[in-house]
Amino acid sequence: ETGVTQSPTHLIKTRGQQVTLRCSSQSGHNTVSWYQQALGQGPQFIFQYYREEENGRGNFPPRFSGLQFPNYSSELNVNALELDDSALYLCASSSGREAFFGQGTRLTVV
Amino acid sequence: GESVGLHLPTLSVQEGDNSIINCAYSNSASDYFIWYKQESGKGPQFIIDIRSNMDKRQGQRVTVLLNKTVKHLSLQIAATQPGDSAVYFCAENPPNSGYSTLTFGKGTMLLVSP
Repeated sequence: ETGVTQSPTHLIKTRGQQVTLRCSSQSGHNTVSWYQQALGQGPQFIFQYYREEENGRGNFPPRFSGLQFPNYSSELNVNALELDDSALYLCASSSGREAFFGQGTRLTVV
Repeated sequence: GESVGLHLPTLSVQEGDNSIINCAYSNSASDYFIWYKQESGKGPQFIIDIRSNMDKRQGQRVTVLLNKTVKHLSLQIAATQPGDSAVYFCAENPPNSGYSTLTFGKGTMLLVSP
């Protein structure tokens, strides 16, 4: 186990709704990254937070937003859900170059 | 759990064989690379990493080779076991990006028969 926990594990939402996914990073890790993994694809980088500030973003629209809290846990928020947002959302924590992933949240948009 | 391996290249081996999984990376300036293993329904699991100032690194039953000339990575697994069955991804840390900001390859499914 990596010590990175995500909640919920599975979620079903309706198109147009908003969703919040949560991640608790491994103890001592001050950096959290979020990835989207569509079925049969590799994970795609969404954004990264370091000490509560966003410090990198991939090619995702502004309706994907996030937060990092003083205890380094993090949230991913997605507004105006679209069917193509259905995917496994992965959180990774790190304190250096090694990134350790959680089990992911499987989001299904119907 | 759901499969992460739909439509992926597949390598089928017998238990006890050595496996070699290959990956082409995209950015010649990337200086850090990682191999991950992902089992169905789980997040990626760190296997081994290598920095660009090395061309080979060994772990327990695994070896990663880096060829910067052709932007190629390989993962060698010795004495492959059924528990090694999973999807394997290479990932690179592009330049001018944060530590642990990774670009993943497409993945290879490894199937190990007893």
